[in-house]
Amino acid sequence: DGGITQSPKYLFRKEGQNVTLSCEQNLNHDAMYWYRQDPGQGLRLIYYSQIVNDFQKGDIAEGYSVSREKKESFPLTVTSAQKNPTAFYLCASSILGQRDRGKMGTEAFFGQGTRLTVV
Amino acid sequence: AQKVTQAQTEISVVEKEDVTLDCVYETRDTTYYLFWYKQPPSGELVFLIRRNSFDEQNEISGRYSWNFQKSTSSFNFTITASQVVDSAVYFCALSPRTSSASKIIFGSGTRLSIRP
Repeated sequence: DGGITQSPKYLFRKEGQNVTLSCEQNLNHDAMYWYRQDPGQGLRLIYYSQIVNDFQKGDIAEGYSVSREKKESFPLTVTSAQKNPTAFYLCASSILGQRDRGKMGTEAFFGQGTRLTVV
Repeated sequence: AQKVTQAQTEISVVEKEDVTLDCVYETRDTTYYLFWYKQPPSGELVFLIRRNSFDEQNEISGRYSWNFQKSTSSFNFTITASQVVDSAVYFCALSPRTSSASKIIFGSGTRLSIRP
């Protein structure tokens, strides 16, 4: 079945540790995204990528890093510099539409999320 | 500025009532997509609909309908004869046309509770 797989589902991190959240897709989508969701709040964009070896910062990139070495994979590292890492993290991917020399993300498909807790 | 506003934080209605979720967006682009997503308690976002900025036709899918009005920059979502299974958080989102990488901007969501 095609889809997006995030792992692990639950993750516990000690203060001062770096942790990496996995995101894999087999939909052959160009664009991939990482969002953070805090309780009762919307989704905030951390990083996004439209092509291998290229990615852009979103609205809240500080304390996070990503890589895009393969089209299928877009792992997110939460570093010790992230002051409040406890949150629900969602990975998504989408086809990249081309129109009038511009690029537009079509509907994104989401993984099941990773709930990160700092202990 | 690119922005999506969902002014209704929470809505609670009795089953079988109709309910409308509001969405207002801001973008300078004339070409963009709008979306609605549903987030049930499990957490995964489920895609509901995409609307192209050039297509202002309203859409109906079963009990769901969407009203897109460019003049007011709104893309409202109506559930007719609501059911308990409709209880979830609903997000409106915008994907503007950009010359570089794309991104999808989400509103803050509306939590819908349907009471039996």
